[in-house]
Amino acid sequence: DAGITQSPRHKVTETGTPVTLRCHQTENHRYMYWYRQDPGHGLRLIHYSYGVKDTDKGEVSDGYSVSRSKTEDFLLTLESATSSQTSVYFCATGQTKDTEAFFGQGTRLTVV
Amino acid sequence: KQEVTQIPAALSVPEGENLVLNCSFTDSAIYNLQWFRQDPGKGLTSLLLIQSSQREQTSGRLNASLDKSSGRSTLYIAASQPGDSATYLCAVRGGSNYKLTFGKGTLLTVNP
Repeated sequence: DAGITQSPRHKVTETGTPVTLRCHQTENHRYMYWYRQDPGHGLRLIHYSYGVKDTDKGEVSDGYSVSRSKTEDFLLTLESATSSQTSVYFCATGQTKDTEAFFGQGTRLTVV
Repeated sequence: KQEVTQIPAALSVPEGENLVLNCSFTDSAIYNLQWFRQDPGKGLTSLLLIQSSQREQTSGRLNASLDKSSGRSTLYIAASQPGDSATYLCAVRGGSNYKLTFGKGTLLTVNP
């Protein structure tokens, strides 16, 4: 599998606080994605990046922002965490549209 | 908007049985389709990637087929084992930025 590291792996935070999740990859993949996984909804795309400083919104982007200043790092920020953002967050990477997507191990975020 | 459906949502079989998992998608303009496995509390592991021009892909006891025109894919698992117990997810890649759209998965239990 591609070297994808998500940090932190678990986090509990209070409503209204900002939170940043990090995805680090060692494969030099161009594309990076943030998904959230919730029971009954499956995996939904939050934001994605198709190159350094090139990002775009997914289907559930409200309340989230991202940044990609280096190929290897893709940061997801919850600007003011809410209980509805309690979820498991996954980062994924891919080199091209024709190659496999690889996933990190996930970050379990609880907003209390 | 692409929609991916997986049937059945859950499946329980005795060890040794051959089985088929189904995936359907609404927009046939895809680049590829990928099958993943997810164990409880873990990330997604890529099993097979089928390009839109391919009909089949095999890896060990797994065989995935793709009929793009009808919007269907199947994952065939031969001689199932208890270690195959997991959730199986199907995802299609399409759109201007090669996003993955996921089904909600099939929870497979193989009983010894």
